[in-house]
Amino acid sequence: GEEVAQTPKHLVRGEGQKAKLYCAPIKGHSYVFWYQQVLKNEFKFLISFQNENVFDETGMPKERFSAKCLPNSPCSLEIQATKLEDSAVYFCASSRSYEQYFGPGTRLTVT
Amino acid sequence: AQSVTQLDSHVSVSEGTPVLLRCNYSSSYSPSLFWYVQHPNKGLQLLLKYTSAATLVKGINGFEAEFKKSETSFHLTKPSAHMSDAAEYFCVVTLAGGTSYGKLTFGQGTILTVHP
Repeated sequence: GEEVAQTPKHLVRGEGQKAKLYCAPIKGHSYVFWYQQVLKNEFKFLISFQNENVFDETGMPKERFSAKCLPNSPCSLEIQATKLEDSAVYFCASSRSYEQYFGPGTRLTVT
Repeated sequence: AQSVTQLDSHVSVSEGTPVLLRCNYSSSYSPSLFWYVQHPNKGLQLLLKYTSAATLVKGINGFEAEFKKSETSFHLTKPSAHMSDAAEYFCVVTLAGGTSYGKLTFGQGTILTVHP
C-alpha cells in the first residue's frame, strides 16, 4: 500500500499482560523502524529492520521487548509482561532511502 | 553522536503573519535533517528534508527551511500562517550512513498556535 498501516489503534493491557502491535510498511520499502512516543512529545528509537533482518536494536529494552519482520507478514512489536511505564504511542515508520514515512501509531495503555 | 534542540516549546502567531520555528543540531558527520508535523492524535507527516543538496529546501504547504552549516541551524519558515498550520512540529536529524543509518533523533517539539 501507499501508507504505513498500524493495528490496533488502541490497546489496553493490565500490568503484566502481553501486548502485540503490528505494522505493514509501504510496499517496496525495505527499512522498518519502531519508535515510542511518551509524555506527548518525547520520541525514542527502539529498533530498525532491513527487510527481515534486525539492523539496529540499540534502543530496545531486550528483557521484555521483541520485534520481528517476516516475509509476507506484517512486522510486529511484542511486549511481554507490560509495565505502567510502557504506556505510550508506538509508531512504525518505513523508508526506501533517507525519509521515513510514519504510520498513525498504536496507543498502548497499561493499567 | 547527534542531537537536536528546538529553541521554542511554544510559538503563537496570528493568521496571515510569518512563522519561524527554530532548530539547532549537533552531529559528528554530515547529517540529514527533516521537519515533521504532528496534528493532534495523528501520526507524523514529513514536511521537508535536507540531504546535502540545495541548502534552501522547499516543502509542502508553503513551508521551507534553510540549512546553515556555520550556525548548525535548520529553521523552518512560512511566509503566511494559516489556521490549519496549528500543530506540533518536530525537527529531526539522522546520519547519512553507517550502522546508525536511519535512526532518527527528534527535537523536543514546538507547538504552533495560530490565532484568527
